[in-house]
Amino acid sequence: KNEVEQSPQNLTAQEGEFITINCSYSVGISALHWLQQHPGGGIVSLFMLSSGKKKHGRLIATINIQEKHSSLHITASHPRDSAVYICAVGWGGTSGSRLTFGEGTQLTVNP
Amino acid sequence: DAGVIQSPRHEVTEMGQEVTLRCKPISGHNSLFWYRQTMMRGLELLIYFNNNVPIDDSGMPEDRFSAKMPNASFSTLKIQPSEPRDSAVYFCASSLFGTGAPNSNQPQHFGDGTRLSIL
Repeated sequence: KNEVEQSPQNLTAQEGEFITINCSYSVGISALHWLQQHPGGGIVSLFMLSSGKKKHGRLIATINIQEKHSSLHITASHPRDSAVYICAVGWGGTSGSRLTFGEGTQLTVNP
Repeated sequence: DAGVIQSPRHEVTEMGQEVTLRCKPISGHNSLFWYRQTMMRGLELLIYFNNNVPIDDSGMPEDRFSAKMPNASFSTLKIQPSEPRDSAVYFCASSLFGTGAPNSNQPQHFGDGTRLSIL
């Protein structure tokens, strides 16, 4: 079973700060996902990556396959970024993509 | 695109009753996943289907839980009989997974979830 660990569990920042959330996993994967869960409960997929780096707006996700580590960065953070960020790793060969989830990082950005 | 549609959004029922959760995946997606989220255990995969066939149901807690996907546009998760410890938010997600290509899996799109309370 793949173990997924996120850090920190809770993070409070001031608006405008640069934020980093980390994710480590224990065995090889086919892809790593970053998800955002809003206070209302909905889950949105932010990134899926298997190598290198991806950027979308103020969000950047990186992955180091050799070190089994990924980071999610938020530049110029804003109160609307307040949410739970969840790392999930996927594998499943050709038959699907089973995900194992980290416990999530609760991010609060204060104005 | 309507996204993944789950119903009901909320369900409150007494223990022992049968509960049926429903999911309509995004049209054209070939993989469907049922997840459960609780405070204690976070998000957990219960079962997933590929091309309507159950691939991995090892996350289904016990025989009281069953899931079906009779066609590409509909799936149900049933709990019978329900117990208070089944109270959780149940999410359905769908994705397009490339057949024959291990690295062609796509992001999963989640429904809004069903908040289930068993009294």
